[in-house]
Amino acid sequence: GNSVTQMEGPVTLSEEAFLTINCTYTATGYPSLFWYVQYPGEGLQLLLKATKADDKGSNKGFEATYRKETTSFHLEKGSVQVSDSAVYFCALRLIGTASKLTFGTGTRLQVTL
Amino acid sequence: DAMVIQNPRYQVTQFGKPVTLSCSQTLNHNVMYWYQQKSSQAPKLLFHYYDKDFNNEADTPDNFQSRRPNTSFCFLDIRSPGLGDAAMYLCATSRLAGLSTDTQYFGPGTRLTVL
Repeated sequence: GNSVTQMEGPVTLSEEAFLTINCTYTATGYPSLFWYVQYPGEGLQLLLKATKADDKGSNKGFEATYRKETTSFHLEKGSVQVSDSAVYFCALRLIGTASKLTFGTGTRLQVTL
Repeated sequence: DAMVIQNPRYQVTQFGKPVTLSCSQTLNHNVMYWYQQKSSQAPKLLFHYYDKDFNNEADTPDNFQSRRPNTSFCFLDIRSPGLGDAAMYLCATSRLAGLSTDTQYFGPGTRLTVL
């Protein structure tokens, strides 16, 4: 089956630290990959996406590269801010299906001054 | 701005009392989804509509129903809420492009409390 595995949180970092949140996937086809962010009490917002191998998604200083050889889509940011504190979800969707995203369990990021 | 709107943001109901959650969209997307997200867990798809075609997930309880009267609106009905149905309910939309769907856009969610 299809699944997404994320590193467990919470991840606590000081402001301006480097962030990596690991994400690996298992899929029976050729998935598109996504990172969504959820701020406290809110819905999910699309952060970035990549639709094929070696694509790099980027947004707001975050980036992730679709690595087919390692089935990974790790999220990185060079310098985090307090405002980045949120829960981050990695997700996949198979091409050719008008249906669901398969989410990882989410990683909570806490950034302190 | 085009968006996905959910009402209400917070809903309190009593055990066993039917409740309806609402979602509307101005994106003119043909696919609409309902997800359930329990505390500290990933969102779980309940069902989705492609236009008027309803697609239920195999493990969605019968207690959960949905209606889509037109392109813009979709409702989630919980016929007899139990304590275990307390969760955040997320509506999302996407556009079918060719053989696949485009990115899903989420509303802010409705947090349901069952007393």
